[in-house]
Amino acid sequence: EADIYQTPRYLVIGTGKKITLECSQTMGHDKMYWYQQDPGMELHLIHYSYGVNSTEKGDLSSESTVSRIRTEHFPLTLESARPSHTSQYLCASRGQGLQSKSTDTQYFGPGTRLTVL
Amino acid sequence: KNQVEQSPQSLIILEGKNCTLQCNYTVSPFSNLRWYKQDTGRGPVSLTIMTFSENTKSNGRYTATLDADTKQSSLHITASQLSDSASYICVVSDRGSTLGRLYFGRGTQLTVWP
Repeated sequence: EADIYQTPRYLVIGTGKKITLECSQTMGHDKMYWYQQDPGMELHLIHYSYGVNSTEKGDLSSESTVSRIRTEHFPLTLESARPSHTSQYLCASRGQGLQSKSTDTQYFGPGTRLTVL
Repeated sequence: KNQVEQSPQSLIILEGKNCTLQCNYTVSPFSNLRWYKQDTGRGPVSLTIMTFSENTKSNGRYTATLDADTKQSSLHITASQLSDSASYICVVSDRGSTLGRLYFGRGTQLTVWP
């Protein structure tokens, strides 16, 4: 099982509030990711990081920001939440798997279900 | 354009029956293909991962196949159980960047009825 954690699991918040979604992993992975997923739809990459002090925007434009001050921690922040931000946010990390040195596996956290009223 | 298409979009089967889910991709250059299981409200969990040289990979009642020539993969579930009800996502990785870009299918929603 993967050691990647997200908090909170569920969050209901009013418009205009600042929120931070936490993500941490204990596998020592350099690569970490944030995905946004609406019900029944595919995952969309919104942010990724190669390592400490490295962050990049993904394919889907997002008003959120991320930081990577420590290898194990990759928080996502929304400065002013809006109803359009209502979605599930999935954090993932990636590194060398145990089965093969040439392939790696992306491990996902349990997700945060965000609802903005 | 690199894409991953899955079929069917949804599937309902009776407990104990077998089923096969399909994944077609156009991702190039190809690195590997993964099948994930995602329970409702949870993060995806990896079931299998296959590289170019692998044709079949099993994980318990789950068997994945890969035809790199036709760019097709399938996930076969044997003797389905109620706990198999979930979304099954096909994910293809390319070799075109250091990130190893991942392309996600929309998933097949499987429902197993008693």
